[in-house]
Amino acid sequence: EIVLTQSPGTLSLSPGERATLSCRASQSISSTYLAWYQQKPGRAPRLLIYGASNRATGIPDRFSGSGSGTDFTLSISRLDPEDFAVYYCQQYADSPRAFGQGTRLEIK
Amino acid sequence: EVQLVESGGGLVQPGGSLRLSCAASGFIFTSFAMTWVRQAPGKGLEWVSSISGTGASTYYADSVKGRFTISRDNSRDTLYLQMNSLRAEDTAVYFCAKALVVVVSATDYWGQGTQVTVSS
Repeated sequence: EIVLTQSPGTLSLSPGERATLSCRASQSISSTYLAWYQQKPGRAPRLLIYGASNRATGIPDRFSGSGSGTDFTLSISRLDPEDFAVYYCQQYADSPRAFGQGTRLEIK
Repeated sequence: EVQLVESGGGLVQPGGSLRLSCAASGFIFTSFAMTWVRQAPGKGLEWVSSISGTGASTYYADSVKGRFTISRDNSRDTLYLQMNSLRAEDTAVYFCAKALVVVVSATDYWGQGTQVTVSS
């Protein structure tokens, strides 16, 4: 079973700053099978990145994904006030298609 | 426009059963895998189950294996989750989500969720 560990648990930044979120897998996975989601309170998650680095439809280019093997990163180049939310990574290489525990991005 | 509308949630006693439905529209339903994800109050996302576009392949989290059954009716564009032997720890908002492709993958559209509460 592949376990995903996200860090940090909470990230406090100001609008305009750059955010870097980490997702580490317990074993190597193909980058084809790693996604990132954003969730705001009371809302369904929204797909940001799939295949580790491909932006989903309608996602601004300030969001980017990278990584391979066991280490993956979601970067947000210039934080907009609407970007403050919880972010989850997910692997879909194998069952269970587990999510990480999430990183809360809060306004400093 | 892609729409996913869940229904069937509610309050049920421990050991009881519920069947969730997810009505899909705006895309060719049979061409995409579907997934159920749940979120307990104040907690993170938990993948529950997925099914391929044809329905031939199904996958379950260990926490629900043997108690939950995922299925789909491609003639009705509807996804189901039959939940038996419910426990307090199954209390959560249940989301259905559409995959990017016919096999299980990342999910690009989500429903609004339906609340399931297991309590006596």
